[in-house]
Amino acid sequence: DTAVSQTPKYLVTQMGNDKSIKCEQNLGHDTMYWYKQDSKKFLKIMFSYNNKELIINETVPNRFSPKSPDKAHLNLHINSLELGDSAVYFCASSQDSRYEQYFGPGTRLTVT
Amino acid sequence: LAKTTQPISMDSYEGQEVNITCSHNNIATNDYITWYQQFPSQGPRFIIQGYKTKVTNEVASLFIPADRKSSTLSLPRVSLSDTAVYYCLVGDFTGGGNKLTFGTGTQLKVEL
Repeated sequence: DTAVSQTPKYLVTQMGNDKSIKCEQNLGHDTMYWYKQDSKKFLKIMFSYNNKELIINETVPNRFSPKSPDKAHLNLHINSLELGDSAVYFCASSQDSRYEQYFGPGTRLTVT
Repeated sequence: LAKTTQPISMDSYEGQEVNITCSHNNIATNDYITWYQQFPSQGPRFIIQGYKTKVTNEVASLFIPADRKSSTLSLPRVSLSDTAVYYCLVGDFTGGGNKLTFGTGTQLKVEL
């Protein structure tokens, strides 16, 4: 069984559209994260979510919003997509904030 | 935020020991140091984590000097399959991890 899964794996869309990326973890972890990896492979945390507490990286535009229907899921919604949003987005989870993180396979978002 | 600096790339040969150093001059008291490995088209994978002195597991060792302003990941007897990008992560994991900072990554290339 895949520990952390993301759908879709690839997402191609046009500027101005709204899209979502889904993430699920079956590890029973309490904390989930979203990361963005740009073309230079720089990995940057966007959000973390623990027991319904959302902590936002202040550099993330408010067009990005995470939504957690339950502890096993943390979906990423992106409104009014821009060219600069093109990147690979990784979901991750950990037992709590001090433990190692398990990453999903990534979603490659291309905005045209 | 603890800014981290790593070499952009390193080359090695099979069977050699590889040491990758990460500089984090303004590391905070609560910050842990974690290293991840990433293969192309995959999410990062946890290697090792430490706070001070030396930590060893079945795949690597992590050396942290007393001032904690740097850390060195040591990979013993590398093989071709160790070719990957290695990230140093420094951060305060409490409070959801929004202060996590990944290094720019070191591309390790192992040759025969």
